Amino acid sequence: QKEVEQDPGPLSVPEGAIVSLNCTYSNSAFQYFMWYRQYSRKGPELLMYTYSSGNKEDGRFTAQVDKSSKYISLFIRDSQPSDSATYLCAMSAYSSASKIIFGSGTRLSIRP
Amino acid sequence: DTGVSQDPRHKITKRGQNVTFRCDPISEHNRLYWYRQTLGQGPEFLTYFQNEAQLEKSRLLSDRFSAERPKGSFSTLEIQRTEQGDSAMYLCASSFDGVNQPQHFGDGTRLSIL
Repeated sequence: QKEVEQDPGPLSVPEGAIVSLNCTYSNSAFQYFMWYRQYSRKGPELLMYTYSSGNKEDGRFTAQVDKSSKYISLFIRDSQPSDSATYLCAMSAYSSASKIIFGSGTRLSIRP
Repeated sequence: DTGVSQDPRHKITKRGQNVTFRCDPISEHNRLYWYRQTLGQGPEFLTYFQNEAQLEKSRLLSDRFSAERPKGSFSTLEIQRTEQGDSAMYLCASSFDGVNQPQHFGDGTRLSIL
């Protein structure tokens, strides 16, 4: 069993919809949680970063962490075609500046 | 700040050949990381450096793989006697040291083994 599980999709939604992306994990030592966005043939780009449990909002993006359930989520409001990409959840036990464990990524497509 | 730069972007080679990739991190970032990503998967950690010291190596980094960061600036990743299974995207990232310092990724080197 992988340490981090993520539904690979693909997920297709109409423009303007709210998107919900999720990951589960098994290692209770994880404390630092990240979401990266990756466009085709590009490297991952950091979207959101959260330490421990709680919510964090940045523009149209909201990240949630529930350590008791070992479950993290990313919500995208007012989705745009430019949001079409692969979204990777990632987490680390010690800090964001050390070994990161990634999920396999969810492919998201926003239909105009 | 020009971002993390990787060279070459794409490398095609025959099985059994040696290949070397280069990564130039964001200037003044003292941590540098290598990851490998195969199709449909997330990046997998290979190794990371603080300045010129290699602090951690994954079990994925077999004895055919070697990484260096001789002056604490750019880094090279060499694969000797390449195998079909080495075909992947090799990603480099860099960050400052510290608890809440995010890793910034380059666009990777895509390796194709014929």
